[in-house]
Amino acid sequence: DIQMTQSPSTLSASVRDRVTITCRASQSISNWLAWYQQKPGKAPKLLIYKASTLESGVPSRFSGSGSGTEFTLTISSLQPDDFATYYCQQYNSYSYTFGQGTQLEIK
Amino acid sequence: QVHLVQSGTEVKKPGASVKVSCRTSGYTFTTYGINWVRQAPGQGLEWMGWINSYSTKTKYAEKFQGRLTMTTDTSTSTAYMELRSLRSDDTAMYYCARDTNWGFLDYWGQGTLVTVSS
Repeated sequence: DIQMTQSPSTLSASVRDRVTITCRASQSISNWLAWYQQKPGKAPKLLIYKASTLESGVPSRFSGSGSGTEFTLTISSLQPDDFATYYCQQYNSYSYTFGQGTQLEIK
Repeated sequence: QVHLVQSGTEVKKPGASVKVSCRTSGYTFTTYGINWVRQAPGQGLEWMGWINSYSTKTKYAEKFQGRLTMTTDTSTSTAYMELRSLRSDDTAMYYCARDTNWGFLDYWGQGTLVTVSS
């Protein structure tokens, strides 16, 4: 099975900061990677798919990049609504794996 | 608009089974697969499996093989997830999510809390 490792596990930042979260796959997954945002008590929300395509309605301050085994999610200017937990997810032959999550906290 | 509405909270004893439903609307049910994802309290997301809503082909995560069954009812556009031989560590929020067929999950149900306790 493909393992996904996110870093950092926790990130403290301030409003208007630029932040980057990294996700590494244990083997190449091409660009079959998605990013989700989850707030407490809520279902996850799709932000980015195919590594860099922004889901409809998601603010343009979110961006994704990478291919193969290394991927990043960048938030260009943090807003109060962005403090949440973020997960990467890989897809390979109808088998999926999530990263362990990155909790983005207010500094 | 697309909606996935799940059945309500369940409390089960160890060794029992649970069956969670996911009623969909707002799209052609057989065009998209359904995934099930769970989240133990305070923990991350764990993929459980996928079902093709048209062919009913399934793929389950290895750790659930033998005690997990996913089914669909196209007449009501509903997906089901049954987990058997429940243990205390199966206590979690269970989510259904629509699969775009490109490997990402674009619409999610509200979650069903399953508590396993003696």
